[in-house]
Amino acid sequence: AQKITQTQPGMFVQEKEAVTLDCTYDTSDQSYGLFWYKQPSSGEMIFLIYQGSYDEQNATEGRYSLNFQKARKSANLVISASQLGDSAMYFCAMREALGEKLTFGTGTRLTIIP
Amino acid sequence: EAQVTQNPRYLITVTGKKLTVTCSQNMNHEYMSWYRQDPGLGLRQIYYSMNVEVTDKGDVPEGYKVSRKEKRNFPLILESPSPNQTSLYFCASSFGAGGPQETQYFGPGTRLLVL
Repeated sequence: AQKITQTQPGMFVQEKEAVTLDCTYDTSDQSYGLFWYKQPSSGEMIFLIYQGSYDEQNATEGRYSLNFQKARKSANLVISASQLGDSAMYFCAMREALGEKLTFGTGTRLTIIP
Repeated sequence: EAQVTQNPRYLITVTGKKLTVTCSQNMNHEYMSWYRQDPGLGLRQIYYSMNVEVTDKGDVPEGYKVSRKEKRNFPLILESPSPNQTSLYFCASSFGAGGPQETQYFGPGTRLLVL
């Protein structure tokens, strides 16, 4: 069965510093996709970044990058130069080969301190 | 604007009173899904649909029904709501009917309180 583990319930980071949010996963599929979503206090789920299991390079989207270590089954989100608007809940998720569902972790609440 | 819409956004109801939460997408997506979010549990899938008239159970389907009569709409039905169904509900859709690379896009969420 698929599983996503986010071990950091909460993090406090100084503005302008880089931050790494941890995510480990477990699956028996060879083909899978890893996603990060941001949930601000308003509640909506915002897609941030995607990494495919066969992608050889780490995904990047603006200030977001994904540190993908396949052998370790980890897919950590790195936010460079954090901003106050980055304060939110962050979820790691995995979609299996057949794509029926996203399996989510329990999330990390990130707070950026001025 | 490409989007997933849900209605209502907020709902307070009483135990046993049937309700429907609507979900609609304007992106011609084949795949749609419902999730519920509870503190400390992340999001869990309730039901999903790979295409019109094709639906299947997710991880927590008890107490819920869905239908997919049109490609754009995927309503969630609570026939007899109970307090343990108090939650934040999300509808999501993606272009393809399957495949790990398909990004799911989420609606704004519906906050449901069952008294």
